Amino acid sequence: GNSVTQMEGPVTLSEEAFLTINCTYTATGYPSLFWYVQYPGEGLQLLLKATKADDKGSNKGFEATYRKETTSFHLEKGSVQVSDSAVYFCALKAAGNKLTFGGGTRVLVKP
Amino acid sequence: KAGVTQTPRYLIKTRGQQVTLSCSPISGHRSVSWYQQTPGQGLQFLFEYFSETQRNKGNFPGRFSGRQFSNSRSEMNVSTLELGDSALYLCASSLSSGEGYGYTFGSGTRLTVV
Repeated sequence: GNSVTQMEGPVTLSEEAFLTINCTYTATGYPSLFWYVQYPGEGLQLLLKATKADDKGSNKGFEATYRKETTSFHLEKGSVQVSDSAVYFCALKAAGNKLTFGGGTRVLVKP
Repeated sequence: KAGVTQTPRYLIKTRGQQVTLSCSPISGHRSVSWYQQTPGQGLQFLFEYFSETQRNKGNFPGRFSGRQFSNSRSEMNVSTLELGDSALYLCASSLSSGEGYGYTFGSGTRLTVV
């Protein structure tokens, strides 16, 4: 079946540091890949997506590139802010259309 | 443009009771999915509806059911509640159910079973 593995947190960073959250997947066919972010007490917000190999999704300074050869979709941001503190979820959507999520990575940015 | 609206935001129920959760998707979105989020199991898919038809179902017992109305609004029902059903239930809508379409999530309904 389909699965998503992402690095466990928490990841603690100082403001303006570089953030990377690793995400790898297993899927049949060619899935679409997503990053969602969840702030405390809220639902999930779509951060970015990529629908085919070598696509780069980007939003709010975050980027992730769909790497089919390594089945990865790592999330990066060059300079994090305190407001980026949240839980980040990597997800895929393949045939069958349901989203399969990773376990989430909590990020804490300290001033 | 209004987002995905879930009601109620919080619920406390007793074991053995049943509960109905409601979800109003973004206007024009025809696909509605439900997910359960718990600290132990993470985000798990419950079911997906498209144009009033259930298209996909996750591995949950038959106590969990849902439906979608002609205006795309959806309800989820859980009967004979168990303590383990305590969770954040998230509804998500999408313009279509194709692979490239991302979902927009609501803020969720937090269900506590006591």
